[in-house]
Amino acid sequence: NAGVTQTPKFQVLKTGQSMTLQCAQDMNHNSMYWYRQDPGMGLRLIYYSASEGTTDKGEVPNGYNVSRLNKREFSLRLESAAPSQTSVYFCASSPWDVSNQPQHFGDGTRLSIL
Amino acid sequence: QKEVEQDPGPLSVPEGAIVSLNCTYSNSAFQYFMWYRQYSRKGPELLMYTYSSGNKEDGRFTAQVDKSSKYISLFIRDSQPSDSATYLCAMSANGNNRLAFGKGNQVVVIP
Repeated sequence: NAGVTQTPKFQVLKTGQSMTLQCAQDMNHNSMYWYRQDPGMGLRLIYYSASEGTTDKGEVPNGYNVSRLNKREFSLRLESAAPSQTSVYFCASSPWDVSNQPQHFGDGTRLSIL
Repeated sequence: QKEVEQDPGPLSVPEGAIVSLNCTYSNSAFQYFMWYRQYSRKGPELLMYTYSSGNKEDGRFTAQVDKSSKYISLFIRDSQPSDSATYLCAMSANGNNRLAFGKGNQVVVIP
């Protein structure tokens, strides 16, 4: 059982380049999330998708776009990368129901922007 | 004031000691409380999940929630070097799956 799979694991970009981070889950979860994790800042929500066909902004959405391709896949796009977007990006998924089931995380994409 | 406060540490303890971690929060609507463990270069993995106030025990791990004080704790008994990781608290309100995270607390268990 793979859980949440993120690709690529590492990437180096130059300022101004674009990139799409991929995420797929095999747990039949309705909801998916993108976070960034920076030293001293903790996990911050970029965008989330409560269910297939919907997306919403989180705490730090500027500079990012997302696509919920289907129930399994949720991608994060950087249109014009900036050094401030150097971070570790985590995708997560959860069932969306009244019992607030916990989120399950992938192992991250480490992104450096020069 | 940030919604969830967690002392980032680091916390170093000798093997076999009890590790005590805690978070405070300001949003009284939070009812679901989680602790995640994150090893270096890995994603957070769910360790404990509790609803409302009370205690929950799972092996060497005990989670406590005191909603009246807006305070949650995680205790690790008989700590092992394999417990060396960053521990993040997280919480959510009823009907809202968005999680509020603490910044994480790094724990080092010294053999």
